[in-house]
Amino acid sequence: GENVEQHPSTLSVQEGDSAVIKCTYSDSASNYFPWYKQELGKGPQLIIDIRSNVGEKKDQRIAVTLNKTAKHFSLHITETQPEDSAVYFCAASKRGGATNKLIFGTGTLLAVQP
Amino acid sequence: SAVISQKPSRDICQRGTSLTIQCQVDSQVTMMFWYRQQPGQSLTLIATANQGSEATYESGFVIDKFPISRPNLTFSTLTVSNMSPEDSSIYLCSVRWRDGTEAFFGQGTRLTVV
Repeated sequence: GENVEQHPSTLSVQEGDSAVIKCTYSDSASNYFPWYKQELGKGPQLIIDIRSNVGEKKDQRIAVTLNKTAKHFSLHITETQPEDSAVYFCAASKRGGATNKLIFGTGTLLAVQP
Repeated sequence: SAVISQKPSRDICQRGTSLTIQCQVDSQVTMMFWYRQQPGQSLTLIATANQGSEATYESGFVIDKFPISRPNLTFSTLTVSNMSPEDSSIYLCSVRWRDGTEAFFGQGTRLTVV
């Protein structure tokens, strides 16, 4: 089955700097890769996603890149702000598959220091 | 998007008892899932809640321990049976549409077993 690895487990940056979180997946049939932000005491919130037919997607200060050959994808946050501090999870699934299961990475605790 | 309401938001339960968690969605969704998130950990899929039929459980999870109901397209329940302290976790309801794209999560139920 699918396995998703995520690095780093913790990341501390200064406000205004960029943050990069990386994930690798094992199942080459996976074609949908979302990123979630989870704040303390809340459920995960979808912040951006990418499908396998594109290599990069941007939404204001966040972007995701996908390398299908290497089976890895990354989240990039520019001009970080203290409110970006949270746990970030990557995930992978096969869009349109029988169960559409999302397999999650282990999470990255991002701390943005003011 | 979808608005997901989970009840209760938190509970403290005695070992050996059972707790039923409810998940209500504001629109008719095809896919509903239940996840467990142990303290400081990632999300692990427990099962897919199937409307009108038995849930599909992931490896390591069984119906006797986690019975699930889904009587219609907007509602599901997860019961944690015969609880032990090891069941202390956050339990999350998630929904997706048929094309397997965006997944939305409820706020979660924080369960503590004493």
